[in-house]
Amino acid sequence: GENVEQHPSTLSVQEGDSAVIKCTYSDSASNYFPWYKQELGKGPQLIIDIRSNVGEKKDQRIAVTLNKTAKHFSLHITETQPEDSAVYFCAAKWAGAGSYQLTFGKGTKLSVIP
Amino acid sequence: NAGVTQTPKFRVLKTGQSMTLLCAQDMNHEYMYWYRQDPGMGLRLIHYSVGEGTTAKGEVPDGYNVSRLKKQNFLLGLESAAPSQTSVYFCASSPSGGLTYNEQFFGPGTRLTVL
Repeated sequence: GENVEQHPSTLSVQEGDSAVIKCTYSDSASNYFPWYKQELGKGPQLIIDIRSNVGEKKDQRIAVTLNKTAKHFSLHITETQPEDSAVYFCAAKWAGAGSYQLTFGKGTKLSVIP
Repeated sequence: NAGVTQTPKFRVLKTGQSMTLLCAQDMNHEYMYWYRQDPGMGLRLIHYSVGEGTTAKGEVPDGYNVSRLKKQNFLLGLESAAPSQTSVYFCASSPSGGLTYNEQFFGPGTRLTVL
């Protein structure tokens, strides 16, 4: 089955700096890579996703890059703000018919210091 | 539109007791999932369902049972609770098609402590 490794487990940055979280996956058939943000006391929420037919996707201050050959993908947050403080999870799956399961990384706790 | 709701929010059990966690979604989603979240372990899939009347095992199914008698509800049961089942439980749902069919929508979680 799929295995997703996520680094670092904790990350502290100064407000305004950039933050980068990296994930690797094992199953070359995976072609859908979402990132979820979990705020304290809440359930995870999708913030951005990427499919393997593109190398990069941006949405305002967040971006995700994918290196399919190396089987790794990264989340980039620029101009970090205190409200970006949360736990971030990467995940991977094969986005085909009959595929239901997402495999999650273990999470990164991001702290943005004002 | 409430999305995904979970009942109860908190529960304390004694070893050997049983309980049922209820998940409800009002988005007409076909797929529903139960995860557990433990410190440093991320989200691990317990069971899932791809439609009313169907269930399947995930990564960590032992000690849990599920039922999906109605499309909008997915129940997670613990027949004989153990301290190892102390965790935060999340329910999620996703559509079976369309542009967002891979996105999972999560509930707020149930914090369960087994003494």
